[in-house]
Amino acid sequence: GAVVSQHPSRVICKSGTSVKIECRSLDFQATTMFWYRQFPKKSLMLMATSNEGSKATYEQGVEKDKFLINHASLTLSTLTVTSAHPEDSSFYICSAKIPPADTQYFGPGTRLTVL
Amino acid sequence: GENVEQHPSTLSVQEGDSAVIKCTYSDSASNYFPWYKQELGKGPQLIIDIRSNVGEKKDQRIAVTLNKTAKHFSLHITETQPEDSAVYFCAASSWGKLQFGAGTQVVVTP
Repeated sequence: GAVVSQHPSRVICKSGTSVKIECRSLDFQATTMFWYRQFPKKSLMLMATSNEGSKATYEQGVEKDKFLINHASLTLSTLTVTSAHPEDSSFYICSAKIPPADTQYFGPGTRLTVL
Repeated sequence: GENVEQHPSTLSVQEGDSAVIKCTYSDSASNYFPWYKQELGKGPQLIIDIRSNVGEKKDQRIAVTLNKTAKHFSLHITETQPEDSAVYFCAASSWGKLQFGAGTQVVVTP
């Protein structure tokens, strides 16, 4: 149980375009999902907390207009990187919690490369 | 906010030996401490966790200890195998959010 999927696993896009990444909880309902960013050989950095039916809460320094998060249902959260630039290239990982516990289950990640 | 420090950054062990990774945290309100294993190009996988009302937890070859007074917790892997090679992250949960340590690259040599 507690499986989280992400789609796509890899995406390459041109600078200036927007990219949408989907995060799904497959066998449970997740009122809260999280989006992380990870640079090579570095730790996970929390970008935002996504709550079903309400606005996402962004961490300090994360541009909410650039990284749009939508949590439209109890099993789906999306991250849209708008007007992507090469510096947005990274590994993006989502996680989901099974309420009321604190345990977070992670997706497999999405490798974004912006040319 | 919470700050988690993790040591060592790299750890090489001979197959069959034990591996120990240590973490410290700063926020005394943190009450949940998971450990994740991440293989190259994949998402982190939860391997064990411990809550602040417990001092030790074991699951087969993996054990975690927590010292709330000293604000540190450790991961112990016994009888290491080549498939244990990966990056391991500790984390501390404060107000529902996880703060991760910097990670430990574990290499198990046959």
